[in-house]
Amino acid sequence: EVQLVQSGAEVKKSGESLKISCKTSGYSFTTYWIGWVRQMPGKGLEWMGIFYPGDSDTRYSPSFQGQVTMSADTSFSTAYLQWSSLKASDTAMYYCVRRSPGVGNYYFDSWGQGTLVTVSS
Amino acid sequence: QSALTQPASVSGSPGQSITISCTGTRSDVGNYNYVSWYQQHPGKAPKLMIYDVSNRPSGVSNRFSGSKSGNTASLTISGLQAEDEADYYCCSYAGSTTPYVFGTGTKVTVL
Repeated sequence: EVQLVQSGAEVKKSGESLKISCKTSGYSFTTYWIGWVRQMPGKGLEWMGIFYPGDSDTRYSPSFQGQVTMSADTSFSTAYLQWSSLKASDTAMYYCVRRSPGVGNYYFDSWGQGTLVTVSS
Repeated sequence: QSALTQPASVSGSPGQSITISCTGTRSDVGNYNYVSWYQQHPGKAPKLMIYDVSNRPSGVSNRFSGSKSGNTASLTISGLQAEDEADYYCCSYAGSTTPYVFGTGTKVTVL
């Protein structure tokens, strides 16, 4: 069974750094893309970017380029999303998602349960 | 890259059919047959309901169907049931540089 299990909720202050995780199981981690999706309180889904653990190929949404960093540790089949300096506007639920490799397959077939990040000013 | 446009809300009575539209541009919906739809119940993670415009993943009810015409994709829910009450989001592939764009989301209410 494919599973994406995210790290727990975080409460941070503006200016602090943060790294959240998405531990995967049930499939070959290095052959599927992992993406991240933001959902601000009461708002819709926003695609942040996508990362290929096989070669670290990364595509960021222009809205998030330079604001976050995506990475992975293939030894632990875990993907990460990190901030170097949080802002109050980063308060949101963050989901990791899986996308199958290859041309086509441009959809997210598995989702993590979400990590709620709360940033106070 | 702007979000795809969806109606804020759609409602219907049990047993009825409803359709949710998702309007993009020639750069996304109009250029690729890679539109997907996600259902999100309150407090839950989204779930894939339709991919590649009209394909259903295993386990998704055949009451859900998708289509596309020009720059607009649509999700139809037939035989509406109480459990269908949720938020629905479309998503389109938009090219290799910035591959994905989500829709604004539609709240479906079962009357």
